[in-house]
Amino acid sequence: AAGVIQSPRHLIKEKRETATLKCYPIPRHDTVYWYQQGPGQDPQFLISFYEKMQSDKGSIPDRFSAQQFSDYHSELNMSSLELGDSALYFCASSLFGGLSYEQYFGPGTRLTVT
Amino acid sequence: ELKVEQNPLFLSMQEGKNYTIYCNYSTTSDRLYWYRQDPGKSLESLFVLLSNGAVKQEGRLMASLDTKARLSTLHITAAVHDLSATYFCAVEGGGSNYKLTFGKGTLLTVNP
Repeated sequence: AAGVIQSPRHLIKEKRETATLKCYPIPRHDTVYWYQQGPGQDPQFLISFYEKMQSDKGSIPDRFSAQQFSDYHSELNMSSLELGDSALYFCASSLFGGLSYEQYFGPGTRLTVT
Repeated sequence: ELKVEQNPLFLSMQEGKNYTIYCNYSTTSDRLYWYRQDPGKSLESLFVLLSNGAVKQEGRLMASLDTKARLSTLHITAAVHDLSATYFCAVEGGGSNYKLTFGKGTLLTVNP
């Protein structure tokens, strides 16, 4: 079965640079979530989209922005990168109105800021 | 604000032993998830618990949910080394709030 696709899988950037992370949800899923997991920490919710509209917002820095496109893929744009942004970034997708609204997680993008 | 507390945070077990991980949460929610994470890897869904009294079992793992007590347990039976990983419980916000709030995770080490 098709899973959530994230690209790139690994990304190395320098401080103050920008980064763009991409997420391709499971086909027919209409909701995308972004989570950030720092080293040794639990995943923290950043932002979510339903039908291309922002549906919820968590602890996402103002330096970050995200959107969902007409084909339902989503991009997380990160500017003025800081060392503390180094983390695993997960995208998850779900089908609103599905049996359990279960979120299926992608493999993650490991961002390293040097 | 929804808070999720998981304990223990660290668990070292001998193979063949049983143990339970606990997950408490602070506000009403009808959906709770258990995930497994290996180092540097993604979150593997283990169980989705949708209603009060739900019990699910897969191999040596069994999860239950008590929504009245706001408590879920993950029971490990006759542990084997392959179960070594970090286990997270996660709770949906409730109502129309579907974002997940995770516990801190339990790092499980099963020793031969």
